[in-house]
Amino acid sequence: SSELTQDPAVSVALGQTVRITCQGDSLRSHYASWSQQKPGQAPVLVIFGKNNRPSGIPDRFSGSSSGDTASLTITGAQAEDEADYYCNSRDSGDSHHMLFGGGTKLTVL
Amino acid sequence: EVQLVESGGGLVQPGGSLRLSCAASGFTFSNYWMHWVRQVPGKGLVWVSHTNSDGSSTRYADSVKGRFTISRDNARNTLYLQMNSLRAEDTAVYYCAREHTWGSFDYWGQGILVTVSS
Repeated sequence: SSELTQDPAVSVALGQTVRITCQGDSLRSHYASWSQQKPGQAPVLVIFGKNNRPSGIPDRFSGSSSGDTASLTITGAQAEDEADYYCNSRDSGDSHHMLFGGGTKLTVL
Repeated sequence: EVQLVESGGGLVQPGGSLRLSCAASGFTFSNYWMHWVRQVPGKGLVWVSHTNSDGSSTRYADSVKGRFTISRDNARNTLYLQMNSLRAEDTAVYYCAREHTWGSFDYWGQGILVTVSS
């Protein structure tokens, strides 16, 4: 089966822009979704599909993709954005299987 | 309001069994594919299993295939995960999650801890 690779940790200064990436073969044929998880809480979906935000997610969150790499961009990062971010997609070998990236811990300085 | 509430977790000895439940409310449960995802404390999310809307199709991660069984009762709005032959490495917080479009998960339960230890 495929894998999704994320950088373990990324930092950003308050109010600046940060990009979190996710790489994997499955992303050539399936969209990545992005979820935010804060300590002790369940994940929350922030981006799905080409670049869609669920209701209630601020528009500073956006998604993009090129080839085998998907990106989550936070434009004007806020203190409350400090969290773990996970990408996921369907597996290219069996679309009913799901893949998760290892997660990226975002620190807002 | 959409809610997913897991139950049935706890401490079990290696080789033992446990059945997790996920009670759904606030949406038409029978219309949605559902999943189980687990997370070792301090580690990342790992997909475990999937079932389609009527339970006729299921999938499993290789690490649990042959030991875990996912099922659902649409009349009771409940998702299940029967876990047999449990191992120490199955220790994790287990989440049920609703599949949205494009393979995303739009609602998650609060998670339930399963500890496999003697």
